[in-house]
Amino acid sequence: NAGVTQTPKFQVLKTGQSMTLQCAQDMNHNSMYWYRQDPGMGLRLIYYSASEGTTDKGEVPNGYNVSRLNKREFSLRLESAAPSQTSVYFCASSVSGISYEQYFGPGTRLTVT
Amino acid sequence: GDSVTQMEGPVTLSEEAFLTINCTYTATGYPSLFWYVQYPGEGLQLLLKATKADDKGSNKGFEATYRKETTSFHLEKGSVQVSDSAVYFCALSGKSNTGNQFYFGTGTSLTVIP
Repeated sequence: NAGVTQTPKFQVLKTGQSMTLQCAQDMNHNSMYWYRQDPGMGLRLIYYSASEGTTDKGEVPNGYNVSRLNKREFSLRLESAAPSQTSVYFCASSVSGISYEQYFGPGTRLTVT
Repeated sequence: GDSVTQMEGPVTLSEEAFLTINCTYTATGYPSLFWYVQYPGEGLQLLLKATKADDKGSNKGFEATYRKETTSFHLEKGSVQVSDSAVYFCALSGKSNTGNQFYFGTGTSLTVIP
């Protein structure tokens, strides 16, 4: 039981490049989330998916897109990376709904130069 | 909108000292409150939670009580260990203009020295 897994662990992009961060969970959770963590800012919700087939914007969605590929997988795409998107990105999942305990992946450290 | 304000760090304590990390919140309605811990190089893990006023969450010697009258959820531990060194985040699940949201505080770094 791996919990929440994320790939890649590290990534360096040039401004304007695109990439997709992958996330998968094996706990049969309905809800999944993407956060970014910046120094002094805590974690901020980018997008979430309450259930398979639905996605909603969080606090900081600009510059990102998401896809809930199936119940297990929830990807985050940067279409045209900017230095302001340099951050650590965490994926999380919960049984059902944002009020429930969330389980986090190990994170992806992204640097945009 | 809803928000969480957390005591700034870093905090450095000697082993066996008493720990308090302050957390206050602003929310409409009745949010659930959480403390998460992040060890170096890892994702966040739930430490404890409380879902209604006067509830006390506890785990691994840590405690926090949901105080509606003071809008607080302070984290306490009677005797810290070196292994408690980590970053601690207070969080709440609440409402925003776009629906349900989850808000984290900025985190408090704790270092425990032998």
